[in-house]
Formats: sequence, C-alpha cells, structure tokens
Amino acid sequence: KNEVEQSPQNLTAQEGEFITINCSYSVGISALHWLQQHPGGGIVSLFMLSSGKKKHGRLIATINIQEKHSSLHITASHPRDSAVYICAVGDFGNEKLTFGTGTRLTIIP
Amino acid sequence: DGGITQSPKYLFRKEGQNVTLSCEQNLNHDAMYWYRQDPGQGLRLIYYSQIVNDFQKGDIAEGYSVSREKKESFPLTVTSAQKNPTAFYLCASSPSRLAGATQVNEQFFGPGTRLTVL
Repeated sequence: KNEVEQSPQNLTAQEGEFITINCSYSVGISALHWLQQHPGGGIVSLFMLSSGKKKHGRLIATINIQEKHSSLHITASHPRDSAVYICAVGDFGNEKLTFGTGTRLTIIP
Repeated sequence: DGGITQSPKYLFRKEGQNVTLSCEQNLNHDAMYWYRQDPGQGLRLIYYSQIVNDFQKGDIAEGYSVSREKKESFPLTVTSAQKNPTAFYLCASSPSRLAGATQVNEQFFGPGTRLTVL
C-alpha cells in the first residue's frame, strides 16, 4: 500500500508570497492528483499529472517520478488561496486513490 | 450544469439508527466512490463501483453498505454496526477506463455530507 506524506501540515504566509507544498509517496504510481478543499468541505481537482510539470494560472505542479516526489507552487498568493491542499496518488491497474492528510494554507492580507 | 450532488449537507441521527446518504451525478461517469474524512486523516475509501450493479469494498467497508442500481446514483447506508459513524462523507465519480487503456482518469467530488450521530 502506498504511503503518502505531505509537508508542511500547516502553512501561514503573507499575501504575495511564493508558496510551496510538498508530497512524497513510497510506491510507483499511475498518476498524482492535487486537490483543493475549501472550508465548506467541497473538493476541487487542481491537477492530475504523471510526469513533468503543469501550470494553471498562478498554480504550478511538478512531479519527479524517480524521486517519488511532487510539489505544488502558488505564485503571488492571495487570501482566497486559503484552503487545505491534498495530494493523492493512483495505483496502477485500478482507479483507487491514496490520500495524504493535507496541508492547511492560510494567506494573511 | 453537470456535476455531483450530495444530500443533505448536514445530517443528524441517533445512535443505533441506519442512515442513507445520497449521491447523484449527471456526468455520465461509470465509476463512483464513497470516501470518509476524519480530522487529521486522509480520505479513506469505503466502497467503489466501476459499473452498474457491481461494487467493491474499499479500505474501511465494515458497517457500511451501498447499491448501484442506476448509473447516476450510488447511495451509501451507514448501519448501526459502524462503530464511529460521525464523519464527513464525500462521494466522487470518474469516467472508467476501458480494459487495457492506459489513460488515468480524474475524479470529480461532490460537496460532502457531514454526519453527526448523537
């Protein structure tokens, strides 16, 4: 079973700062997902990647398959980015996901 | 609009009662999932279904039951056998891969139901 670890668990930053959230996993995967959970509880999928790098607006996700590591970056952070960011990895051969415990991000104006 | 709906958003039940959580999707997805979220823990898979009339146990299926009679609907029943039912429950769906396909599919999540058992 894959073990997924995220760091840091909590992160508080000033508006405008560059944010990095890390995710590492123990076993080879089919893909890695970055999810965003707002205080109301609903979850939105931000990225799904199996190699390289993806960018969407101010968000950038990278993955290093050899090192079993992914990072989520937020440029020019804004208070509306405050949320819990969750990393999840998919196993080969099925659709099941293993989730990290999340990183709670708070951006202060 | 296409999406996943869960109802109700908040649910209160007395200990010993069964309760059914609703999950409906109009995305025409084959696969549907139920997850449980507890404070300080990652989401854990309860049950999943990759096709109508078929479902499999996830990592924490004890005390739960599901049905998949229609493609759009995947209700979850929390039975009195579930020892710690108070939690946040999330439903998700994804297009199912065809056998032999390598494309990985994204999962789409509903808004969740917060169940409190008193």
